[in-house]
Amino acid sequence: QSVLTQPPSASGTPGQRVTISCSGSSSNIGSNTVNWYQQLPGTAPKLLIYTNNQRPSGVPDRFSGSKSGTSASLAISGLQSEDEADYYCAAWDDSLNGQVFGGGTKLTVL
Amino acid sequence: QLQLQESGPGLVKPSETLSLTCTVSGGSISSSSYYWGWIRQPPGRGLEWIGSIYYRGSTYYNPSLKSRVTISVDTSKNQFSLKLSSVTAADTAVYYCARQIRRLGDRELDYWGQGTLVTVSS
Repeated sequence: QSVLTQPPSASGTPGQRVTISCSGSSSNIGSNTVNWYQQLPGTAPKLLIYTNNQRPSGVPDRFSGSKSGTSASLAISGLQSEDEADYYCAAWDDSLNGQVFGGGTKLTVL
Repeated sequence: QLQLQESGPGLVKPSETLSLTCTVSGGSISSSSYYWGWIRQPPGRGLEWIGSIYYRGSTYYNPSLKSRVTISVDTSKNQFSLKLSSVTAADTAVYYCARQIRRLGDRELDYWGQGTLVTVSS
């Protein structure tokens, strides 16, 4: 059971906007920033969003993040087939004194 | 461009110790701005943080693994290592090393190795 809670799956058609939620608690999302990782099939995770809503260089602005209280969301607009991947939220947890991840959301582009 | 590369045995026997090394190239491990971490992913499952180390040797471990994990650093070789003792089949996973930002409130893992599959089996 993951410390952060994500829906196991999400889907959308090309061009649509989809959102993935991530729920935590006061000791993790409520106290620290949220990061999102994209894992394409058979590859290592890649940092997609950091510090709640910042995009590393090279990440398209179709990807955006937000945080409110103890929850966070990843939004993908203008969905493309290459966005089909697993997405993980993560944050530092002050009670565990460690990094915690969500269980991951498998995004399917229909 | 920073690169991280995991190395070590792909097969470990039950009850033995899993040992992996991560070699960092394109940057120094002796930076005050980063931790260096290990993350694993069992087949078909999600990510699990194992632990992280600062170049001066201070460590953070996942409480659920703490009794079996040791992470160490060798700044002269620009490497850090993972040892996981008393392994069982449940420790079968792809093991990743990664660079972790060292900033209060922020702990993103911004560079990852390609990962190495370790299977625990007799």
